[in-house]
Amino acid sequence: GESVGLHLPTLSVQEGDNSIINCAYSNSASDYFIWYKQESGKGPQFIIDIRSNMDKRQGQRVTVLLNKTVKHLSLQIAATQPGDSAVYFCAENSGGYNKLIFGAGTRLAVHP
Amino acid sequence: DAGVTQSPTHLIKTRGQQVTLRCSPKSGHDTVSWYQQALGQGPQFIFQYYEEEERQRGNFPDRFSGHQFPNYSSELNVNALLLGDSALYLCASVRKGTGATEAFFGQGTRLTVV
Repeated sequence: GESVGLHLPTLSVQEGDNSIINCAYSNSASDYFIWYKQESGKGPQFIIDIRSNMDKRQGQRVTVLLNKTVKHLSLQIAATQPGDSAVYFCAENSGGYNKLIFGAGTRLAVHP
Repeated sequence: DAGVTQSPTHLIKTRGQQVTLRCSPKSGHDTVSWYQQALGQGPQFIFQYYEEEERQRGNFPDRFSGHQFPNYSSELNVNALLLGDSALYLCASVRKGTGATEAFFGQGTRLTVV
């Protein structure tokens, strides 16, 4: 079946360090992936997306890497800031139009 | 430009009651999806509405129903509430047909069933 999972439930980093959040997916037919950030009491906020015809995409301080061979994607955050503290979800577009399958999430805690 | 707006923000209901949640999509968007997010978990897809019809559905019972209006706003109805229906209910919108599939989420409605 389709599933999106995350390797680590919690990640603690020092302010200024780089953060890497990992995600595994099981549906090899998936062609679109999204990273969302969710702060306490708020809805998920779009960070960056990537399609299966790419292996890397960069945004402002963020990079998403996609490895289709092992069905793995990662989110890299450069120079992590306290405002980056949140739960991060990867989501897979599951066959239908914009039917997203989310993993359980990784909590990122940034320490001064 | 208003993003996705949901109402109410918080709601407390008793088991067996019925509830209606509302969503206004982002300006220019015509497709609305609803998700249920239990505490400590990722959002789970409930269903999606486009052109006032339910187009896709996740693994949720018939107690969960919805509606989309001509102005693209949407309602989520849940009948015969169970304690397990307590969750954050999220609405997401996109504009179908553009090729873009970035979904914008609202702040959610926190439903507590007692």
